[in-house]
Amino acid sequence: AQSVTQLDSQVPVFEEAPVELRCNYSSSVSVYLFWYVQYPNQGLQLLLKYLSGSTLVKGINGFEAEFNKSQTSFHLRKPSVHISDTAEYFCAVSEGGGFKTIFGAGTRLFVKA
Amino acid sequence: EAGVAQSPRYKIIEKRQSVAFWCNPISGHATLYWYQQILGQGPKLLIQFQNNGVVDDSQLPKDRFSAERLKGVDSTLKIQPAKLEDSAVYLCASSLGTVFLTDTQYFGPGTRLTVL
Repeated sequence: AQSVTQLDSQVPVFEEAPVELRCNYSSSVSVYLFWYVQYPNQGLQLLLKYLSGSTLVKGINGFEAEFNKSQTSFHLRKPSVHISDTAEYFCAVSEGGGFKTIFGAGTRLFVKA
Repeated sequence: EAGVAQSPRYKIIEKRQSVAFWCNPISGHATLYWYQQILGQGPKLLIQFQNNGVVDDSQLPKDRFSAERLKGVDSTLKIQPAKLEDSAVYLCASSLGTVFLTDTQYFGPGTRLTVL
């Protein structure tokens, strides 16, 4: 059965610094991987997704993620964060042959001036 | 295009009372999802519809929760009777096609339920 672990519940970072939000999953079959962002009082919106092909995926707002099959990871990165990136970030996994998407517990990113 | 609409945005009820949430997905989206997001946790799928048929309801507590999607468009989620542990944000999402494993899900703003 699939599961998703987001290793950090909170990540504080200064503005213009780089950031990495970590995500690991467990699955024995092929997977599809997603990162969603949730701004305060808003619904989740898709940042990026990996379905197949290149393991480096670029998304909106300057974010990118790299799929590492051997380490079963899909870490999210941004080279320089802004105050407006303060939000909660969710990693999610869909498992081939299944029907549903499983979400991690989320990582709260705080960007400080 | 209009996003996923949900109402009400907030609801406070006493335990053992009933409550209903409404969702209007993006026009033309075949698949509709209801998630429960408890504070500090990620969204958990309660039920997934494709048009007006149920694809997955394995995590829906069927003794107290029910959901329907009439005519394959709007959906309602009901809790009867509510328990304290039902306090959460209830998220509705929709996606365009029937390839739900790879489709992008579009989320509404959620309904925050507090059970006292």
